[in-house]
Amino acid sequence: NAGVTQTPKFRVLKTGQSMTLLCAQDMNHEYMYWYRQDPGMGLRLIHYSVGEGTTAKGEVPDGYNVSRLKKQNFLLGLESAAPSQTSVYFCASSSNRGSTEAFFGQGTRLTVV
Amino acid sequence: GNSVTQMEGPVTLSEEAFLTINCTYTATGYPSLFWYVQYPGEGLQLLLKATKADDKGSNKGFEATYRKETTSFHLEKGSVQVSDSAVYFCALLNGSGNTGKLIFGQGTTLQVKP
Repeated sequence: NAGVTQTPKFRVLKTGQSMTLLCAQDMNHEYMYWYRQDPGMGLRLIHYSVGEGTTAKGEVPDGYNVSRLKKQNFLLGLESAAPSQTSVYFCASSSNRGSTEAFFGQGTRLTVV
Repeated sequence: GNSVTQMEGPVTLSEEAFLTINCTYTATGYPSLFWYVQYPGEGLQLLLKATKADDKGSNKGFEATYRKETTSFHLEKGSVQVSDSAVYFCALLNGSGNTGKLIFGQGTTLQVKP
């Protein structure tokens, strides 16, 4: 009964370092998303995917890259981390059938110093 | 473009008080509307939804009615509990060219005191 699993849960990076956040879902969902959550700003969409092998930019894509090589996984990469990328990152997935709900992971708290 | 506006928080209530969290939206077409809840240290989970005008979503004592004429989807609960303390997000999903992308409001923190 895993749903959406994100790894890692916490991470501290130095400015300029790189890292990859992994999201895995076991619900056979077509759609997957990466959001960032910042105080007073709600959740903002970084990138999303509508199926294996596809990716698209969201509202705040700069400084991030993504890949969806397998349907169940959606990776978010930071090539050169900046303090402005300190945030809580959430992955979500949903079915492609109508107005169904999105399922969220537990989040990754990233601090860039 | 599409957007969601929620009342600013935090909202602090005593147990058994009546709750209203206002949400208004701007969207083209006919969006679906959602309320998500985030408990401390957790991800978001769906609380309720409504997919067309005049629909009422309800769950766990919470209700919200999709009002197209006022472009609103206010969340209400008649008697809150300490366990309702959380952050509440209003969101919309635009039906045209749907790719499942949710547009979120900024979130409203609810604190319920015993």
